[in-house]
Amino acid sequence: SQTIHQWPATLVQPVGSPLSLECTVEGTSNPNLYWYRQAAGRGLQLLFYSVGIGQISSEVPQNLSASRPQDRQFILSSKKLLLSDSGFYLCAWSVGLANTGELFFGEGSRLTVL
Amino acid sequence: AQSVTQLDSQVPVFEEAPVELRCNYSSSVSVYLFWYVQYPNQGLQLLLKYLSGSTLVKGINGFEAEFNKSQTSFHLRKPSVHISDTAEYFCAVSDPISNDYKLSFGAGTTVTVRA
Repeated sequence: SQTIHQWPATLVQPVGSPLSLECTVEGTSNPNLYWYRQAAGRGLQLLFYSVGIGQISSEVPQNLSASRPQDRQFILSSKKLLLSDSGFYLCAWSVGLANTGELFFGEGSRLTVL
Repeated sequence: AQSVTQLDSQVPVFEEAPVELRCNYSSSVSVYLFWYVQYPNQGLQLLLKYLSGSTLVKGINGFEAEFNKSQTSFHLRKPSVHISDTAEYFCAVSDPISNDYKLSFGAGTTVTVRA
């Protein structure tokens, strides 16, 4: 069966520090991968998605970047965090072929920038 | 691109009472529809989905939803809620014709079940 893991689960970082959140998927090949953010009391905002290794699409201009160095690995990064980067970050995957759009989510990573 | 409107941001309900969460989507020839649940500090979990076939869809934990094409709605219902149903619920839609791999989510409905 397929599983998705993301870490760390909780992170407290000072303003201006770097960020790296990692997500891996097991049990499937060639998945589409996604990073979402939830700010407090707000809905889901799609940040990045990827349909293959090295292929990254950005949905909104921002302080963050994403990379996909391997088929089932998706990394969210920042060189210098801002206060506004605080939130709950969710990684998700969907099947690459015959895609209905159904997403499978990780457990989430809560980032607090102080 | 599709858009989704969840008409209620918060729904308080007493234990063992019924609940309905409303969802409307922008018109399209065909759609795939989903309801997800998010418990505090967790990821989203699929409750149910409509891809084709019967318009009444049954999901996990006693939830069901009805696809109404003429009203472009996909309301979620449960006849009797439990305290453990306290969570945030998201409606989402994808457009199989556009083939852009992305779900459009509603803003979410927070359900609070009280004893």
